[in-house]
Amino acid sequence: EVRLVESGGDLVQPGGSLRLSCVASGFTFSGYYMSWVRQAPGKGLEWVANIKQDGSEKYYLDSVKGRFTISRDNAKNSLYLQMNSLRAEDTAVYYCAKDQDVITSGEIVVYFESWGQGTLVTVSS
Amino acid sequence: EIVMTQSPATLSVSPGERATLSCRASQSVSNNLAWYQQKPGQAPRLLIYGASTRATGIPARFSGSGSGTEFALTITSLQSEDFAVYYCQQYNRWYTFGQGTNLEIK
Repeated sequence: EVRLVESGGDLVQPGGSLRLSCVASGFTFSGYYMSWVRQAPGKGLEWVANIKQDGSEKYYLDSVKGRFTISRDNAKNSLYLQMNSLRAEDTAVYYCAKDQDVITSGEIVVYFESWGQGTLVTVSS
Repeated sequence: EIVMTQSPATLSVSPGERATLSCRASQSVSNNLAWYQQKPGQAPRLLIYGASTRATGIPARFSGSGSGTEFALTITSLQSEDFAVYYCQQYNRWYTFGQGTNLEIK
């Protein structure tokens, strides 16, 4: 059974930093793209970033580029999201997701096959 | 950015009845479309990918259809556990979600 457990969410002031972690089990972690997806309170879902199996390729939502960094440690079955220069609009539950990749028009894209329970990040003074 | 628009925002249906949820893309996404179910306080769950393929463990009463820009999720014989919020998501070019349809008990 796939299990994804996020941690690291907290209350942080605007301009502050936070590092989220996600520990995976129940599948071969190194074989899959992984993503972070967020959901602001009472709002819909928004993809934030994803990372290739070996960490060699990383992709980001425009509004977080230059502020957030996604990384992974395959030896520890762990995914991370380093969040810097946090803004009020970053307030959300952050979900870790196991991706399933698909090749379309010669490019690799993903959908989100399994999700963790989420961790809440609140950016407020 | 590909904008996904779901309708209606809220759908009221009686248990045992059929529900049809719609999703429209602002440009063609081929069949690169997924549907997710989210219950209050829970993470989303993948229902459908490739516009019409049920994910592992998803009951046959859930079906997806469409391609290009128009998609639908149909749930036949609604069960109490099916009342939730449903999101469509395109993965043809980057990743964007619809705003959700709240399926509520009539």
